[in-house]
Amino acid sequence: QVQLVQSGAEVKKPGASVKVSCKASGYIFTTYGITWVRQAPGQGLEWMGWISANSGTPNYAKKFQGRVTMTTDTSTSTAYMELRSLRSDDTAVYYCAISWGLPGDVFDIWGQGTMVTVSS
Amino acid sequence: QSVLTQPPSVSGTPGQRVTISCSGSSSNIGSNAVNWYQQLPGTAPKVLIYTTNQRPSGVPDRFSGSKSGTSASLAISGLQSEDAADYFCSAWDDRLTGPVFGTGTKVTVL
Repeated sequence: QVQLVQSGAEVKKPGASVKVSCKASGYIFTTYGITWVRQAPGQGLEWMGWISANSGTPNYAKKFQGRVTMTTDTSTSTAYMELRSLRSDDTAVYYCAISWGLPGDVFDIWGQGTMVTVSS
Repeated sequence: QSVLTQPPSVSGTPGQRVTISCSGSSSNIGSNAVNWYQQLPGTAPKVLIYTTNQRPSGVPDRFSGSKSGTSASLAISGLQSEDAADYFCSAWDDRLTGPVFGTGTKVTVL
């Protein structure tokens, strides 16, 4: 079945970087772009950006431009999201998601989430 | 940060009908379809409603969505205990060129 499996939880110090992976299976990886969304504890969802799995072209939310890099590795069907210069308010669960089986900009397949804790 | 505004919480007794509002602007809800997600504790969001009023296969018909102008609503008819969860609205934003999400609403079944 279509599945996104993310890497495990991370604990980082302020100023460090974190790289989260999202391995896709059950479909042709290059067919669907990968979206990254984060959720701070007890808060709502926040779109970070999107990357075309076909061309590798990213589209970052303005808030994260200059601090985030999204990449894909088609040989392993894996997408990556790297966030640099981490701050305490970057503590959140980070999700990858795709719009697979439904029309429109709706995310029907999600990874299980990766908890990133930023603490000194 | 969330661009769409939802009430923090709504509650109801089993069998009751509850509605969740989602307020946006002309660049998002006013010009694009609305989606709704249900999130149970410790899990990823799940699509409940897409394209404003469509239900994916497997979602009970007690869930329904609507939109008017720059606001949208999710209605749950015949509230059940398993409906206790957080609910988020979402819509594409033409100005931000990306999806925006609501602040989230916690549904409590009394």
